[in-house]
Amino acid sequence: QKEVEQDPGPLSVPEGAIVSLNCTYSNSAFQYFMWYRQYSRKGPELLMYTYSSGNKEDGRFTAQVDKSSKYISLFIRDSQPSDSATYLCAMSATGNTPLVFGKGTRLSVIA
Amino acid sequence: GAVVSQHPSWVICKSGTSVKIECRSLDFQATTMFWYRQFPKQSLMLMATSNEGSKATYEQGVEKDKFLINHASLTLSTLTVTSAHPEDSSFYICSASSVSSRRTYEQYFGPGTRLTVT
Repeated sequence: QKEVEQDPGPLSVPEGAIVSLNCTYSNSAFQYFMWYRQYSRKGPELLMYTYSSGNKEDGRFTAQVDKSSKYISLFIRDSQPSDSATYLCAMSATGNTPLVFGKGTRLSVIA
Repeated sequence: GAVVSQHPSWVICKSGTSVKIECRSLDFQATTMFWYRQFPKQSLMLMATSNEGSKATYEQGVEKDKFLINHASLTLSTLTVTSAHPEDSSFYICSASSVSSRRTYEQYFGPGTRLTVT
């Protein structure tokens, strides 16, 4: 079993839809959880950063961490065509250590 | 926000030559920098972890004599691909770790360098 599992998609939704992206993990030592957005041929851009369990909201984005289930989610409300990208979940046990990435989910938001 | 730059953004070189890629944190001092490579439609694979003033720590399977990493300062790390071969063609991305105002570490990525070896 890989440390971090993420459905690669592709996921296609109409503009305005709510998008739900998820990752599961096996290492209970992970405490730092991140979501990155990566456009084609660009570096990943940090979207959300969560420490331990709980929810975090930033504009149209909400990140949830459920450590008991080893499950994290990213919700995008009112999705826009500009949200079309690959979304990568990433996590680490301590803050200053290499991130373990999911495979990334390719999202297309259709106008 | 924290900005990380990479140079060059795209490089084509001939087989057998060496290529140097620079990674700079522009508006913060990075305690640690990481180097990743990414093949098309795949996720990022960690190559090495680099702390300023010390030797890089390479992941299993990454040849340290082929991928030379120098972390000269808190704002600059370089990756040199020596004697490049076509199979080294990939997207190389660096990230820099910074302590946020919330006293948590956040990693910011550079825009990546696309290397093509002919």
